Amino acid sequence: DAGVTQSPTHLIKTRGQQVTLRCSPKSGHDTVSWYQQALGQGPQFIFQYYEEEERQRGNFPDRFSGHQFPNYSSELNVNALLLGDSALYLCASSRRGNEQFFGPGTRLTVL
Amino acid sequence: DAKTTQPPSMDCAEGRAANLPCNHSTISGNEYVYWYRQIHSQGPQYIIHGLKNNETNEMASLIITEDRKSSTLILPHATLRDTAVYYCIVRSHQYNQGGKLIFGQGTELSVKP
Repeated sequence: DAGVTQSPTHLIKTRGQQVTLRCSPKSGHDTVSWYQQALGQGPQFIFQYYEEEERQRGNFPDRFSGHQFPNYSSELNVNALLLGDSALYLCASSRRGNEQFFGPGTRLTVL
Repeated sequence: DAKTTQPPSMDCAEGRAANLPCNHSTISGNEYVYWYRQIHSQGPQYIIHGLKNNETNEMASLIITEDRKSSTLILPHATLRDTAVYYCIVRSHQYNQGGKLIFGQGTELSVKP
């Protein structure tokens, strides 16, 4: 049984560009949450998707958007990248409100 | 803001029990205590959660005080591979409240030979 998978593993972008990160949830899970983890900090909640809709959102600007597909996989899009967007982006899946299981993350570097 | 307080760091000798404390004095009745750990540059790993009774699984034991204002995660026989940052999180299971995990700074546990 595959766990949560994320792609790509690493990504380098320049300021002003746009990026799309992808997440496939654990089998049987229907809810996907995204987190941003800056170096030396704990993960910060970005948003959560369930039934293809954004259900909760953390304190992130509209440059951060997402999508959930009918197969429960999800994308995180970040527009107009800033240097401060450099971080590890984590996806977590769960079955409704139950415990969340995290993927290995995507390391984004903005130059 | 995180609703939990943890010591920033702890050491433990290999083979001994590691006891990681967490204070959550403002926990409400419908909130569970969750523990995750994060080994350097990997995604957080779920360890255990509980509401008010003590819980045990293959990884750890969770002891919650009767007033639910604090808890302790116990790794019974710590190994070098248990070196990680451990996060204690309180979270509601009500779906419209239970979406997000709010991480604090966690406890950096160093297991030494």
